Amino acid sequence: KAGVTQTPRYLIKTRGQQVTLSCSPISGHRSVSWYQQTPGQGLQFLFEYFSETQRNKGNFPGRFSGRQFSNSRSEMNVSTLELGDSALYLCASSLGGGDSGNTIYFGEGSWLTVV
Amino acid sequence: EDQVTQSPEALRLQEGESSSLNCSYTVSGLRGLFWYRQDPGKGPEFLFTLYSAGEEKEKERLKATLTKKESFLHITAPKPEDSATYLCAVPPSNDYKLSFGAGTTVTVRA
Repeated sequence: KAGVTQTPRYLIKTRGQQVTLSCSPISGHRSVSWYQQTPGQGLQFLFEYFSETQRNKGNFPGRFSGRQFSNSRSEMNVSTLELGDSALYLCASSLGGGDSGNTIYFGEGSWLTVV
Repeated sequence: EDQVTQSPEALRLQEGESSSLNCSYTVSGLRGLFWYRQDPGKGPEFLFTLYSAGEEKEKERLKATLTKKESFLHITAPKPEDSATYLCAVPPSNDYKLSFGAGTTVTVRA
């Protein structure tokens, strides 16, 4: 069974540009969530989608956005990139039903470097 | 506010030297406590989910236990390949996300 797939794995962008990251969840999983990981802040929650609806959003500026498609794939976008956006962006998926503690499985992440 | 605190921040072990990692949490109505392993440059790998006090789960040299206030990850006779950062996380009350601790970085020397 294929795991969570994220593309691209590595990318370098210039300040002010925008970036789009993609995520394919585990087959059958309807919830996709995104996290940012940096050495100083650890793993920080960005947002979560279930059946194309955003159910939860973390404390990030509006430059960070996401969406989910009908096939459960998801994208996140960061506009007007800043140096501080350099991080590992992790996508995770789960069955997502109800509010029980469904196990969340992570992809390998997309390494974003802003120069 | 819901919080997850892990200790110690770093742990250096000799191969075969057993030890424990701690994860304390404050959340009302625990809906699971999750342990992950993360290798450098990779995404977290799921290890265990614990749901109720007294529950224990094992996988190879790892054993996770849960009380009402904290969880322990015991590493028995570790090998160098057990070197990684171990993260614990809980879903906050009525929220579709995980709150992570800062992690414990374990280094096992041969």
